[in-house]
Amino acid sequence: DTGVSQDPRHKITKRGQNVTFRCDPISEHNRLYWYRQTLGQGPEFLTYFQNEAQLEKSRLLSDRFSAERPKGSFSTLEIQRTEQGDSAMYLCASSLVTARAHEQYFGPGTRLTVT
Amino acid sequence: SQKIEQNSEALNIQEGKTATLTCNYTNYSPAYLQWYRQDPGRGPVFLLLIRENEKEKRKERLKVTFDTTLKQSLFHITASQPADSATYLCAAGGGKLIFGQGTELSVKP
Repeated sequence: DTGVSQDPRHKITKRGQNVTFRCDPISEHNRLYWYRQTLGQGPEFLTYFQNEAQLEKSRLLSDRFSAERPKGSFSTLEIQRTEQGDSAMYLCASSLVTARAHEQYFGPGTRLTVT
Repeated sequence: SQKIEQNSEALNIQEGKTATLTCNYTNYSPAYLQWYRQDPGRGPVFLLLIRENEKEKRKERLKVTFDTTLKQSLFHITASQPADSATYLCAAGGGKLIFGQGTELSVKP
């Protein structure tokens, strides 16, 4: 399967714990995005990378969230000191940015539940 | 702030009819609008992208329009089938995407 993969698919954690999610994009894609989605809403942008550079981070994102993309391949999203409001589906997407193509390919998501 | 709005009410139609979904944007002039399909518990799947200088785009039974005067995009599924039942998301942008809340479509046999 050459699509975007995410790990884990589900995570249950207690409030105050740290969690880390991993995303493996489509191998030739140079952009990688993180979104968060809650029930009944569309995905909300968190951050994105072009190769290994983090180019934008949402102003809504607290300092408890950090993302990395070492060597421009896989990416990790860490949430420190989780809160119940962090419960959501975390989606990763990748794309190959050319002059014409900007569609994004999404992974299956990681569902986070904070108890 | 930039806003993308879709009909939040579910759309129920009969098999074989054309489904039309609406996407409106405010405080924004996107160069691209994109439409995605999302099934429960899964990530969105790309369907179509339309540029601001394109009035209409088609792909098989799908058609998208982009009206920069009305600040609106319409998404049509012709000859709808029960397998088309899903949530359809409108998104603005070419890189970072701003999504609407999605419209749930249910096609009854």
